[in-house]
Amino acid sequence: EDQVTQSPEALRLQEGESSSLNCSYTVSGLRGLFWYRQDPGKGPEFLFTLYSAGEEKEKERLKATLTKKESFLHITAPKPEDSATYLCAVLYSGGGADGLTFGKGTHLIIQP
Amino acid sequence: ETGVTQTPRHLVMGMTNKKSLKCEQHLGHNAMYWYKQSAKKPLELMFVYNFKEQTENNSVPSRFSPECPNSSHLFLHLHTLQPEDSALYLCASSQVGQANYGYTFGSGTRLTVV
Repeated sequence: EDQVTQSPEALRLQEGESSSLNCSYTVSGLRGLFWYRQDPGKGPEFLFTLYSAGEEKEKERLKATLTKKESFLHITAPKPEDSATYLCAVLYSGGGADGLTFGKGTHLIIQP
Repeated sequence: ETGVTQTPRHLVMGMTNKKSLKCEQHLGHNAMYWYKQSAKKPLELMFVYNFKEQTENNSVPSRFSPECPNSSHLFLHLHTLQPEDSALYLCASSQVGQANYGYTFGSGTRLTVV
């Protein structure tokens, strides 16, 4: 069973069409949930860390929220430059020395 | 030079070759990581080094051999690889005990084994 599951696997939106990406996790002892953005041919770029249920963080058109078993990345009025793969990862007690466990990612395409 | 730098960016090697991947971080971090990224799979943690000491080895085959001579440099030595080892290899760094502030990743080395 995957410890971190992201959905959908791929999402195609029109420019300006808001939507949400989901990340659900099954680990216990969450120390942090992370969102990264990855562009083709590049390494993941850190976006947010969330620590506890009810927490929210925002950056430009992105807003991340956290509940006890899942996180959402809301994208408001996206632009073509928001096209990327968005990765979710968790850090948890018993997960090893600071090693992050990742989901498979959501490939997001924003069409002009 | 800032952030995390990986070299080479691309590498093609035969199954009998020996090669090394290099990672250097300029952030003053003291923890470094190797991850493998394959198509349709999550990033897989391979090795963790804290203060130059290896603290995790996630059942990685012995044909992958890491080396961390100091807190700023990390190597991955490769020998007798298999075609299924073809992937993007990513290096990352963080502060020990502060991984909740996020990793910084390099751009990766795209490895092709022929």
